[in-house]
Amino acid sequence: DTAVSQTPKYLVTQMGNDKSIKCEQNLGHDTMYWYKQDSKKFLKIMFSYNNKELIINETVPNRFSPKSPDKAHLNLHINSLELGDSAVYFCASSPGRSYTFGSGTRLTVV
Amino acid sequence: RKEVEQDPGPFNVPEGATVAFNCTYSNSASQSFFWYRQDCRKEPKLLMSVYSSGNEDGRFTAQLNRASQYISLLIRDSKLSDSATYLCVVTGYSGGGADGLTFGKGTHLIIQP
Repeated sequence: DTAVSQTPKYLVTQMGNDKSIKCEQNLGHDTMYWYKQDSKKFLKIMFSYNNKELIINETVPNRFSPKSPDKAHLNLHINSLELGDSAVYFCASSPGRSYTFGSGTRLTVV
Repeated sequence: RKEVEQDPGPFNVPEGATVAFNCTYSNSASQSFFWYRQDCRKEPKLLMSVYSSGNEDGRFTAQLNRASQYISLLIRDSKLSDSATYLCVVTGYSGGGADGLTFGKGTHLIIQP
């Protein structure tokens, strides 16, 4: 069983489109996160959710909106995609100190 | 000033050699410290936690110097499979999981046969 699973693994889309990336964890962790890894390989936190409450929202454009239907899921919705949104997006979950990452979604905006 | 700074490398090291790299962090209130490993096109995976007393896991030794805000990783008897990017990671300020991880940009290590 995959602990943190993301779909899709690859996503190629045109500028201006709206897309969603899904994430599910079966670890029973309280907190889930979205990270972005850009072309320079720098990993940076975007959001975290703890029991459906947004805890961190870094300087991310409001075109990005996390949605958590329940504790095991944290989806990322992106409106009006831009070229600069091309990156690898990683979902992660944590019970406190340790973190488990999903395998990533490689988003390419053309 | 970047929150977590690392030499990006690449470090080209012959198999069997010992290699060391380090990072510095800017926030003295940082609570927890880790080394993660990331292989090409894969997710980061925890290599080891880092403690002030120093800790060892097989061929890997990590050390934290809180006074200097400096974290190190030593790899002995390096293997070809050690080739990867090593990410220095700190958590914030309250130490709780909800603060998330702050990553360095990573040090790229290449072990040569």
